[in-house]
Amino acid sequence: AQSVTQLGSHVSVSEGALVLLRCNYSSSVPPYLFWYVQYPNQGLQLLLKYTSAATLVKGINGFEAEFKKSETSFHLTKPSAHMSDAAEYFCALYNFNKFYFGSGTKLNVKP
Amino acid sequence: GAVVSQHPSWVICKSGTSVKIECRSLDFQATTMFWYRQFPKQSLMLMATSNEGSKATYEQGVEKDKFLINHASLTLSTLTVTSAHPEDSSFYICSRSGGLSNEQFFGPGTRLTVL
Repeated sequence: AQSVTQLGSHVSVSEGALVLLRCNYSSSVPPYLFWYVQYPNQGLQLLLKYTSAATLVKGINGFEAEFKKSETSFHLTKPSAHMSDAAEYFCALYNFNKFYFGSGTKLNVKP
Repeated sequence: GAVVSQHPSWVICKSGTSVKIECRSLDFQATTMFWYRQFPKQSLMLMATSNEGSKATYEQGVEKDKFLINHASLTLSTLTVTSAHPEDSSFYICSRSGGLSNEQFFGPGTRLTVL
C-alpha cells in the first residue's frame, strides 16, 4: 500500500532558524516523492521532487530534501527560515499514476 | 506563469442547486486531469481522474452521480456538483500531469460554499 505520513501538523520556528518538516512514506515500489507548498486559498506549488536520481534534492526558495531509503523518509529542510515561508507544506508520493498526499504541516515563522 | 486555471475561484450557492467548476490546461494538451477535494485543515483527497473522450475514473466512496466530470477537450475538464448540500462545501483543486515528468501542476482551487 502507498501512504505518506507527515509528523507534526504544526511546526513553529523563529525567523533565521532551521526548518525541518518530516515526511515518511510507504511504497511497494521505488517511489517518486514531492514536496508542495500551499498558501491560503491557493493551489499547490512544487518545491522539489525526487525521481530516483540524486538522493539530496534542492528546490526553490532554499529548500532541500534528502531521500533516505533505509529510513523511508524524505524530510524537508531549510537552513534559515524567512517570514515568507509561513504556509502549509505537503509531502506527496506518486505511484501507479496516482498521487498520495500527507496530511500537511503548517509552518509558522515567528519574528 | 500559471499552467492550470480554474473558474470560478469561489462560489456560493443555495442547497439543492448545481455548480460547475472549470479546469483548463493552459499550455499543454492534457489527456488526463485530476480532481481533488480539500476540507479545512486537511490534506487533498483525490476524487477522480478525468479522461479526455471517455468516462472519468472515480475513487472509492466518491458518488459518480453527484460529482459529474466531463473532459470534452484536451484543455478543459469540468466538475459539476449536482444538488449541492452544505457538506459539499470544500476547496476543489484540479491538476494535470507534467507530460513526461511525473510532476503535477495544480490549479489555484475553487472555494465552494453551500448555504
